Amino acid sequence: AQTVTQSQPEMSVQEAETVTLSCTYDTSESDYYLFWYKQPPSRQMILVIRQEAYKQQNATENRFSVNFQKAAKSFSLKISDSQLGDAAMYFCAYRSALAGANSKLTFGKGITLSVRP
Amino acid sequence: DTEVTQTPKHLVMGMTNKKSLKCEQHMGHRAMYWYKQKAKKPPELMFVYSYEKLSINESVPSRFSPECPNSSLLNLHLHALQPEDSALYLCASSQVRGRTEAFFGQGTRLTVV
Repeated sequence: AQTVTQSQPEMSVQEAETVTLSCTYDTSESDYYLFWYKQPPSRQMILVIRQEAYKQQNATENRFSVNFQKAAKSFSLKISDSQLGDAAMYFCAYRSALAGANSKLTFGKGITLSVRP
Repeated sequence: DTEVTQTPKHLVMGMTNKKSLKCEQHMGHRAMYWYKQKAKKPPELMFVYSYEKLSINESVPSRFSPECPNSSLLNLHLHALQPEDSALYLCASSQVRGRTEAFFGQGTRLTVV
């Protein structure tokens, strides 16, 4: 079974600074997807960024980028130029590519990010 | 349009009540999901519908009854719930194959009294 580990329960960053959220996972599969979701107090889970395991290039979405290390099974999220609106709970998630929608989306425990003005 | 709409946003129900949660998406997704989320915890999968057929039931008690009337709608019928069922209920949708990232609704905050 796949597992996703987010070992830091909380982090804090100064506005305009850069912060990196850590995530490791364990799987025996070679074809899978990794995601970072953001859940602000408004409750909606928002997809931040997506990475396909077969792609060596790290995904980037504006101020958000990942450091994907497949051999080390590590998938960290870097947030540049942090903004107050980035304050939220962030979940790292894994999904096997084998069974499509019937593959369970496995979440880490999440990390609460606070942004200091 | 990347929106998944859930109604109601808040619901308070007694243990003998029957209520329904509704979810709608117009992204052309043929997979839809119900998740249950407790405070400060990750979402837990309850049900998966694929092409309007129930494909996964994560051993959810029968007091929760899902229904997928068409490819855009997903309901969750609630009956005889317990206080421990109080939680945020999230609906999500995705493609069945390929880009299967899930798009979530804002959730229904359910309180059972």
